Formats: sequence, C-alpha cells, structure tokens
Amino acid sequence: DTEVTQTPKHLVMGMTNKKSLKCEQHMGHRAMYWYKQKAKKPPELMFVYSYEKLSINESVPSRFSPECPNSSLLNLHLHALQPEDSALYLCASSQDRGSGGTKERQFFGPGTRLTVL
Amino acid sequence: QKEVEQNSGPLSVPEGAIASLNCTYSDRGSQSFFWYRQYSGKSPELIMFIYSNGDKEDGRFTAQLNKASQYVSLLIRDSQPSDSATYLCAVNEVRPGHTGFQKLVFGTGTRLLVSP
Repeated sequence: DTEVTQTPKHLVMGMTNKKSLKCEQHMGHRAMYWYKQKAKKPPELMFVYSYEKLSINESVPSRFSPECPNSSLLNLHLHALQPEDSALYLCASSQDRGSGGTKERQFFGPGTRLTVL
Repeated sequence: QKEVEQNSGPLSVPEGAIASLNCTYSDRGSQSFFWYRQYSGKSPELIMFIYSNGDKEDGRFTAQLNKASQYVSLLIRDSQPSDSATYLCAVNEVRPGHTGFQKLVFGTGTRLLVSP
C-alpha cells in the first residue's frame, strides 16, 4: 500500500482567505513532505517533517504554515496568498530505512490544485 | 549548488521502440537515484530507483547507474502510447544530519511522446 491522500483536490481562494490543505498516509512513514509545483517545472521542496518535527523549511514565506498533528497527518495552512502562489501542492511521505537519509523512497499524493484570485 | 540535468525533449519514439532517457548529476556523494513518471496534470509516480552501479530491471523498465560518470538512465522497452509522460530524474542531496528522511534534487524532466 503506497497511498498518500490529499484534500481538497481543487481549491480556489481569494488573497484575504484562510484555508488549509490536508495530507494523510497510513503506511507508517515517519517523514512527510510538502512540495509546490508550477506548470512545466519540477517539484520544489517547501517543508519536511521527520518524526513529527519540522526538519527542513526551505525559506518559505510565512503565509504558508505547516503543521504535523501526528505521524499520519500533515497540514498546510494558507493565509494572505498571492496569485503567484497558484500551483499544484504535493504531499509526499517516506519510510525511515535506517540508511541515514540515503535510501528513503518518497511517494506522492495526488496533489491539490490551488488557484489564488 | 547541487544540479540534476535532463534534456527537456520532447523525445519522440514509435510504439514498440526503446525509449532512452538520460540524466546527469553534480553531487558525487549522491547515493540514491529515482525515476518518477508524471502525466499531465497528475502527481509524480515513482517507477524505478537504483542505488548501486549497473543495471536494475523491472518489467519493461531498466535503470542504469554509472557513478564514475555521474550518469543515470532509464530505458523503456516496447514503448506504448500510455508511456507518454514527463519523466523526472531525482537524486538525493547528501547532508549531515539528514536521518530518517531525505531531500531530493529533481531534474527538469524529459517529455516522452510515443506515437502509435
């Protein structure tokens, strides 16, 4: 079972709205990731949680706020976004293989297509 | 700056042919290499991974790794129109303290078109 789920599939929001993206996995993976992907570009890492602790923040603007309530859930809270934040937001997870970060395999969810008006 | 380079394509092959996708990387310390397939408007799907020099086969897919040349490739045998997608090469970025997770560096992807 390599399923990562994300909700909602599509989201349209205004620049003053507050919304949240949700990601869930039940594979026992202890690392979860948020990526942003613009059209015809590769995924761009935003945040990594490992064992429910924020391990990487790739200098993401504070209008994006991640949260990891437990080992299966990952949220991304959105506030005061800009139109240029419109993109496909991808969640991924990986199992700790005890390899010091060299052999983990990341599995992506279906993504949330975000449009900021 | 860690880099992963791919030809953006499109790479056009006829149905039934072998498609060869290539990727080079800059970080000699990288130890794991991944190929993701991404259909238009969908999320990336992991199709192959390789850790050691040589070939690794899975069905119609073969991943090839040459660490000395910092080169990884994906061969797709008996290409089908359903293989038409963008193929992303990803390489782990080696950082001290990265335990239990990894950071991937992605190439820009190669678009493959398989014509019937």
